[in-house]
Amino acid sequence: QKEVEQNSGPLSVPEGAIASLNCTYSDRGSQSFFWYRQYSGKSPELIMSIYSNGDKEDGRFTAQLNKASQYVSLLIRDSQPSDSATYLCARVGNNRLAFGKGNQVVVIP
Amino acid sequence: NAGVTQTPKFQVLKTGQSMTLQCAQDMNHNSMYWYRQDPGMGLRLIYYSASEGTTDKGEVPNGYNVSRLNKREFSLRLESAAPSQTSVYFCASSLLVSGAEQYFGPGTRLTVT
Repeated sequence: QKEVEQNSGPLSVPEGAIASLNCTYSDRGSQSFFWYRQYSGKSPELIMSIYSNGDKEDGRFTAQLNKASQYVSLLIRDSQPSDSATYLCARVGNNRLAFGKGNQVVVIP
Repeated sequence: NAGVTQTPKFQVLKTGQSMTLQCAQDMNHNSMYWYRQDPGMGLRLIYYSASEGTTDKGEVPNGYNVSRLNKREFSLRLESAAPSQTSVYFCASSLLVSGAEQYFGPGTRLTVT
């Protein structure tokens, strides 16, 4: 089993809607999780960090961590065309980050 | 404050040639990383340096070497390039030795023919 899995295919959402992305992980000892946004042809950009169970909100982004079920999610409220990108989930362990393969989000005007 | 910088931005090599990718950060971060990103494969860690003076292998180290020149600089060397090393290479740095909250450079697009 991969350390971090993002299984959903590309996600198309209408402008103004909520985009919901999920990520599962295999190591129950994982403590710290991150969401990166990557525009096509650009480098990953850190947008959210979450370290404890529950929700963390930052502007239009909400990260949710459920350690019992071993998943992390990212909600993007009021989606904008500028949110169209690939979103990468990552967890820290052994002095490194393990990344999922990412989910592409397309916001349709 | 430039963050993480990488040179060159683009490079084309012939099979068997060597080259060094340069990375520097000005954030006084302790840890630095080299990744490659290929379509469908995601980001894969090549080598990392958790602190100045140390380097460790990641997922895909074969065919690469690294040097942590000082706290700011971390270079990646391809001794004998192969077409399988065609990829986009990213350098990243983190204040924390744990590897949390990494910040990425703009990347180097390498093609090996």
